[in-house]
Amino acid sequence: AQSVAQPEDQVNVAEGNPLTVKCTYSVSGNPYLFWYVQYPNRGLQFLLKYITGDNLVKGSYGFEAEFNKSQTSFHLKKPSALVSDSALYFCAVRDGGTGRRALTFGSGTRLQVQP
Amino acid sequence: DVKVTQSSRYLVKRTGEKVFLECVQDMDHENMFWYRQDPGLGLRLIYFSYDVKMKEKGDIPEGYSVSREKKERFSLILESASTNQTSMYLCASSLRGTGVSYEQYFGPGTRLTVT
Repeated sequence: AQSVAQPEDQVNVAEGNPLTVKCTYSVSGNPYLFWYVQYPNRGLQFLLKYITGDNLVKGSYGFEAEFNKSQTSFHLKKPSALVSDSALYFCAVRDGGTGRRALTFGSGTRLQVQP
Repeated sequence: DVKVTQSSRYLVKRTGEKVFLECVQDMDHENMFWYRQDPGLGLRLIYFSYDVKMKEKGDIPEGYSVSREKKERFSLILESASTNQTSMYLCASSLRGTGVSYEQYFGPGTRLTVT
């Protein structure tokens, strides 16, 4: 079975400071990992993914994430937060070894960036 | 750009009614998905389809059925709506097969209220 944990319901950060949104996962095969963002009353937008290759992946809007196999983590980061980054963030995983086509999503982390 | 559209943004139905939620994608994707989103629970997979007339149950299929008669259209059916089906429903699509990008593209969501 595949699963994802986002241990923080909410993350608060001041504008201009670095931000981290945490995600850990569990799969039996190779993980395919994704981050999505949801703005109010909108669907989910794809931010970035890790399938294979470099552990540090860069995505949209200046976000990046680091894949850490030993810690089974895929934390989302940004060097300097903007107020407009305030939104709901979801981590998702797909087990590359099982052939399950669907993603499993975490419970979401609300990011609040204060001016 | 991939576009996934959903027939309604907001819907109010009465208990016991049969409810149809429609989803259309314009990128010739083989896979289509229905999720429901509830606070603190993230996204949970209801059903997905990997081809026309093909479907597989997700994690919470009870009380729902689906129909995929054309590649671009995937319908979610609530046979007899109940108040515990009040939720945000999200449709998504993706390519199928190895070596593809795997990420899912989401529609804007339908907020369903059952009274």
